[in-house]
Parts: sequence; structure tokens; C-alpha cells
Amino acid sequence: GQQVMQIPQYQHVQEGEDFTTYCNSSTTLSNIQWYKQRPGGHPVFLIQLVKSGEVKKQKRLTFQFGEAKKNSSLHITATQTTDVGTYFCAERYNFNKFYFGSGTKLNVKP
Amino acid sequence: DVKVTQSSRYLVKRTGEKVFLECVQDMDHENMFWYRQDPGLGLRLIYFSYDVKMKEKGDIPEGYSVSREKKERFSLILESASTNQTSMYLCASSLRTISLGTGELFFGEGSRLTVL
Repeated sequence: GQQVMQIPQYQHVQEGEDFTTYCNSSTTLSNIQWYKQRPGGHPVFLIQLVKSGEVKKQKRLTFQFGEAKKNSSLHITATQTTDVGTYFCAERYNFNKFYFGSGTKLNVKP
Repeated sequence: DVKVTQSSRYLVKRTGEKVFLECVQDMDHENMFWYRQDPGLGLRLIYFSYDVKMKEKGDIPEGYSVSREKKERFSLILESASTNQTSMYLCASSLRTISLGTGELFFGEGSRLTVL
């Protein structure tokens, strides 16, 4: 399968601090998707990036796709306790298969 | 509201037992998937089906088989459960598309299997 590496594995932040998780690949990615899994829940789709250098925002979340399409990042500004969960990146490979990074577990202290 | 339903949230089985995990989706999606989720390892693809009776192996198919007799239903079978198959199993579905415009995964709630 495809190899998508995600760092860090864990991140603990104080509420109000920023948070970033990174996905990296040794090969060019056709696209990158991001999912969020709340504690005890299942992954839920957040966004898909397709174009080189693409940046998309959802309120306090900023998603970027690298110029070379080998990396992506998710940045959360001023974290809140509702941001707690595990964030996964995934490549939608060959249009119909999905390979996931190992996830970044975010804990936010109030 | 779209829905992927997994038959059991929690199962406890004994080593050597045959285990069936069932998944049903109501979105008329062509693609269905079984993933295994373990801490620090993310979601690993076990099997993928892109049509009725069609399947492809994922990264970790050993010890598992699947069945897709109807479009809405995708079953994961552990022929002889072992303790290293204790895990969270997630079913998902998506539209089959040749473009990148759509096609995100919709997940079920997960089935946590413990093999003693």
C-alpha cells in the first residue's frame, strides 16, 4: 500500500494554543483527505485537497497541500476543548482506495 | 441521513472461534471497506470491495476473508480468531468515482473485538 507518514503521534496543548499535524509521503500524492475521530467515535471526513499548493480553511482549521504534493498539514488556531480527538490524513489512491496515516491524537487542557 | 451500520459494537470471542462482522450501508455506495484500528498504527486496510462479489486485498488480509453478496452488505470473517486479532474494526463505504470531485469515506461506529 501507499505510505503516508503522520507526525506527531500525540500533542498536548493548553486551550487557546495552536496545533499542527503533518503528513508526508516519499511519493507524489494524487490528493489528501483529512478526517477527525472524536474519542469513542468514528472518523469523520473534514476536507479533500487536490491541487498543488492548495490552502483551504474551515473556521479555525487551515489545511495545506504542499507544492510538490508530497506533504500536507492541518493547523488549528486557538484550540478549544471541542477539538480533542485524533486527526488522520489519507490518500485516496487510484480514485477508490484510501490509505491512512497513523494519526495525531490531540488533547486540549482547559 | 447517511448511515453505515455495524452489527455489533462489542464482541468477546475465544481463540479458534469463527467470527462474523457485518456491515450495512444505506447510501447505495459501490465501494465498501474493512479497516482495523490499533493505537499508533492508524487505520489499516484489510479488504476492499468495489462491487457485488468483487474484492481486493488490502495491506493486512492474512487471517481474514470477506463476503459481498449484496451491494449494501459487506461482511468480514475471521475463520479462526486469534488473540492478535483483538482490535477495533471499522467498516466504511464510498461512492465509486473516476474523478476526484467526490468520494469521501463514511464510517460505521466500529466493532471492538476481544479474542481471549
